[in-house]
Amino acid sequence: EAGVTQFPSHSVIEKGQTVTLRCDPISGHDNLYWYRRVMGKEIKFLLHFVKESKQDESGMPNNRFLAERTGGTYSTLKVQPAELEDSGVYFCASSQDRYRGDTEAFFGQGTRLTVV
Amino acid sequence: AQKITQTQPGMFVQEKEAVTLDCTYDTSDPSYGLFWYKQPSSGEMIFLIYQGSYDQQNATEGRYSLNFQKARKSANLVISASQLGDSAMYFCAMREGAGGYNKLIFGAGTRLAVHP
Repeated sequence: EAGVTQFPSHSVIEKGQTVTLRCDPISGHDNLYWYRRVMGKEIKFLLHFVKESKQDESGMPNNRFLAERTGGTYSTLKVQPAELEDSGVYFCASSQDRYRGDTEAFFGQGTRLTVV
Repeated sequence: AQKITQTQPGMFVQEKEAVTLDCTYDTSDPSYGLFWYKQPSSGEMIFLIYQGSYDQQNATEGRYSLNFQKARKSANLVISASQLGDSAMYFCAMREGAGGYNKLIFGAGTRLAVHP
């Protein structure tokens, strides 16, 4: 069974440009999460999808960040326009339906974003 | 406020010895879950072990065990018989509530180096 996959693994863009990160969750996982770790800081929650709906987007830093999950499968996280402080590692995670009990989140390998 | 504290930025251990990675947490929710994740140099976050707040026994998974001291609000990870492949970053995380969603709060991480 394939794990959570993220693309690209690395991205270097200039300030002001747009970048789109993609996450493919484990097949059948309704829950999809985005996290990020900026340099020297803790990993922070960004948002949570249940299928195609945003369950919680309290961690989104500002309106330059837009996440979508069309059809409840893969998700994209767009940063437009990118700023220097957006540099960091963006993680995606997925987990099964909540009613199947407490299940852990499975993380992807992350996308390292560098804004120069 | 919810918080996870990992006070050891770096630890080293001799191969085959046991090591304890510290984690303390703060929450006012009586129902919560505690996780440990491993992040090797390749970047992915690997789930290691989970402890629910109502679990009577300490969680164990192979060489990993979680020393859960509820009154002290600590959830230390014990790795027995360390191996060179255990060298990685280790993150303690907490999920509040019993809802099964994985909105996690992470600690800053501990970098473990296993020496031959």
